[in-house]
Amino acid sequence: DQQVKQNSPSLSVQEGRISILNCDYTNSMFDYFLWYKKYPAEGPTFLISISSIKDKNEDGRFTVFLNKSAKHLSLHIVPSQPGDSAVYFCAARGGGYNFNKFYFGSGTKLNVKP
Amino acid sequence: GAVVSQHPSWVICKSGTSVKIECRSLDFQATTMFWYRQFPKQSLMLMATSNEGSKATYEQGVEKDKFLINHASLTLSTLTVTSAHPEDSSFYICSARDTQRLAETQYFGPGTRLLVL
Repeated sequence: DQQVKQNSPSLSVQEGRISILNCDYTNSMFDYFLWYKKYPAEGPTFLISISSIKDKNEDGRFTVFLNKSAKHLSLHIVPSQPGDSAVYFCAARGGGYNFNKFYFGSGTKLNVKP
Repeated sequence: GAVVSQHPSWVICKSGTSVKIECRSLDFQATTMFWYRQFPKQSLMLMATSNEGSKATYEQGVEKDKFLINHASLTLSTLTVTSAHPEDSSFYICSARDTQRLAETQYFGPGTRLLVL
C-alpha cells in the first residue's frame, strides 16, 4: 500500500508559466516532506523540503506548500524553464521510530516546452 | 558539498554470479546509508538501512542473504547481490545522511544499473 502518491505521471508546461506538481500522503505521522528532481540514469537530487509544522517554504523559483488537514503537498515552479524538465519525486519522512525512513511517490515527469 | 558516489555505474553479469556495488560519501561522514531499488516508471523502494558498525536493517520482503550489506566505515557502504538472477536486474541507488548536518535530507548517489543475463 503506497503511502505517498503522485497521481499525475506526467505534466507539460510552457516555458515561463507555472508548474504545479502534486503529492498526497496517507500517514499523519509523517513529519517532514521533500521534493527531489531526477534525470534519467541518475540519482535524485534534493530540491526543497518542508517541516510538518510549516505550510510553506520558498527557495528561489521553487515553493512547496503543505496542507496537513488534506494530507497534500505541492511544488510550484515559477517561472518554469526547459532545464526543469525531469522527473520529480515527493518524499515523506516517517515520524517516530521511522525517522530514518523515506517514503517516495512514483514521480511526475515534467516537460517544459520552449 | 554532500556528494555521494556509486561504483560501478552499470554492470552486466551472468546469472548466478555475485555483484558488489559501492556507495561512498565523499565529503561527509554518514553513520547511516540507505539502499533503494527502482523499477522502470516506479517509485524508489527502500531495501535496507545500512548502519556503520552494525547489521543492516532490511525492509519487509527483502532477502538479507540475497542482498548483503556491509557498512564498514563512516564513508562506505557496499551492497552485494549474491547469485544474481534476471529478476534482480534493476536500478540500485544509495543515499546517505550527513551526520554533522542538521538538515534532514538524504543525499543520493547516481545509481547503478544492473543487468543480469
